[in-house]
Amino acid sequence: EVQLVQSGAEAKKPGESLKISCQGSGYTFASYWIGWVRQMPGKGLEWMGIIYPRDSDTKYSPSFQGHVTISADRSTSTAYLQWSSLKASDTAMYYCARPAVPGIVNGFNIWGQGTMVAVSS
Amino acid sequence: IQLTQSPSFLSASVGDRVTITCRASQGISSYFAWYQQKPGKAPNLLIYDVSTLQSGVPSRFSGSGSGTDFTLTISSLQPEDFATYYCQQLHIYPLTFGGGTKVEIK
Repeated sequence: EVQLVQSGAEAKKPGESLKISCQGSGYTFASYWIGWVRQMPGKGLEWMGIIYPRDSDTKYSPSFQGHVTISADRSTSTAYLQWSSLKASDTAMYYCARPAVPGIVNGFNIWGQGTMVAVSS
Repeated sequence: IQLTQSPSFLSASVGDRVTITCRASQGISSYFAWYQQKPGKAPNLLIYDVSTLQSGVPSRFSGSGSGTDFTLTISSLQPEDFATYYCQQLHIYPLTFGGGTKVEIK
């Protein structure tokens, strides 16, 4: 079964660092782009960025560039989303997602279960 | 590319035909998708490449459009269809989502 399994919920303080994960299984991890999507409480979906694990080609939304880092480890079939200094406004649910077709991004049909990040002093 | 989705809220009855539209700020190719999201759940892909039905999605869902105007149609609304729907363009980076349409029971 193809699936993405995300790390558990996090409660952090402003200024702290954080790295959340998304582990793929049941498919050739390196061959599919993996994207990250933010959903703030009660709000819509926001596309953050995407990485191609085969060559680590990464693209960011300007809204998130410089504030988060997306990476991937082919040896563990895991993608990561990390912050060096969290803000209260980073409080949200974060989803990773994979397209249906290797090497192409035409729609995300496999989603992780989401990781809730709460940032509060 | 900005996506303007309308309406943002829709009240409808079981059996109704429902249409949701998404207008792009510039013309885009066929890389356009629609998702359904229910409370507390991850989004679910319904349509990709403008009009291709994702495997397992009921045939009452359909997508159409080209250029800057795209449409999701539910031919006969079912109880399990009450949810929030999002469009997404995958033509050019940064990929973007529409603001969402919440479909509620009348």
